[in-house]
Amino acid sequence: KQEVTQIPAALSVPEGENLVLNCSFTDSAIYNLQWFRQDPGKGLTSLLLIQSSQREQTSGRLNASLDKSSGRSTLYIAASQPGDSATYLCAVSGNTPLVFGKGTRLSVIA
Amino acid sequence: DADVTQTPRNRITKTGKRIMLECSQTKGHDRMYWYRQDPGLGLRLIYYSFDVKDINKGEISDGYSVSRQAQAKFSLSLESAIPNQTALYFCATSYGDRGLTDTQYFGPGTRLTVL
Repeated sequence: KQEVTQIPAALSVPEGENLVLNCSFTDSAIYNLQWFRQDPGKGLTSLLLIQSSQREQTSGRLNASLDKSSGRSTLYIAASQPGDSATYLCAVSGNTPLVFGKGTRLSVIA
Repeated sequence: DADVTQTPRNRITKTGKRIMLECSQTKGHDRMYWYRQDPGLGLRLIYYSFDVKDINKGEISDGYSVSRQAQAKFSLSLESAIPNQTALYFCATSYGDRGLTDTQYFGPGTRLTVL
């Protein structure tokens, strides 16, 4: 059974800092890995999707990497802003639809 | 208008009542999903449907049933609600012709409270 772990569970950083969120998964037989953002009381917004054959994806200040063999992904956020404050969720798709981690709650302090 | 809509957005009900949560989408996607989110447990898959004639159980299907009335509509039912079904419920959609490799798009969620 696929299990997804996200570390840390919560993170607080000053504005402008670069930061890394971590995601690990137990079964490397995945089709893709997605990073989502969730604002309090809101739905999920897809940030980046990395296919299993890819190593990384970039969108603006966000960069996600995937090391399928070691079961790890990182989400790098450059020059963090208060508007980046949210919960970030990692999810993997394999033989069944998405399996989610519990998320990292990020607070960016102005 | 939102691409994936859920009704109701909030619902308070009593133990034993039958509840239906509805999801509709205008994205033209074949695949639809129902998840629940609980504090400390993350999102877990309840049911998913790859087309109108296809229904699959997810990780936590006990106590729930679904109906795919049309390509654009996917309903989740709680036949006899119990307090531990109190959670935030999300519907999601994705394309069907790209295997399991495509992005899922989420609705805004339904907050259900069972007293």
